[in-house]
Amino acid sequence: DSGVTQTPKHLITATGQRVTLRCSPRSGDLSVYWYQQSLDQGLQFLIQYYNGEERAKGNILERFSAQQFPDLHSELNLSSLELGDSALYFCASSDRSRRGYNEQFFGPGTRLTVL
Amino acid sequence: AQSVTQLDSHVSVSEGTPVLLRCNYSSSYSPSLFWYVQHPNKGLQLLLKYTSAATLVKGINGFEAEFKKSETSFHLTKPSAHMSDAAEYFCVVSNTGGFKTIFGAGTRLFVKA
Repeated sequence: DSGVTQTPKHLITATGQRVTLRCSPRSGDLSVYWYQQSLDQGLQFLIQYYNGEERAKGNILERFSAQQFPDLHSELNLSSLELGDSALYFCASSDRSRRGYNEQFFGPGTRLTVL
Repeated sequence: AQSVTQLDSHVSVSEGTPVLLRCNYSSSYSPSLFWYVQHPNKGLQLLLKYTSAATLVKGINGFEAEFKKSETSFHLTKPSAHMSDAAEYFCVVSNTGGFKTIFGAGTRLFVKA
């Protein structure tokens, strides 16, 4: 158990809908990362937050947005869903305060199916 | 700029034989390097990490990796494969602070009985 929790585990929805994925980082971790993993694209970095602020952006679509709240949990919002958005979405957290130790701890993922 | 290349998309070994998963990286500064493992329908788990201490890094489940700066490589090895090692393995390079983390494309390891 990595200490990172993600809800829900599974989500089935229809095209055009909007969903919110939730992530709680390990206790004390200030950084949260979101990833999308699909069969054709592999593991893609979406976005990183550090202590409530956006720090790095990857291949995140404009239809997607994220935020990190004062209690450090994070939400990934996916809107106008398309079939191609079906994937596993992972959240990871890390403790940036220890110099050089940037290992990320991954949650179990949310499997999104868009029908 | 940073990049990471996993040289094999698939590797197949027999149980009890050595495992070698190859990873080359490029980085304009001293990187941190990691190997993660992902079993089917599971999240990623850290196997080992290199953070500029010893160049030979030992990880969990008998895996180890050697950082070779001259070859810009960080290959993952295990002396004897076990059926439970069948999974996907990711090589990762990161700068200090974790603001720039790059995942390799992954290598799927198959272990034959």
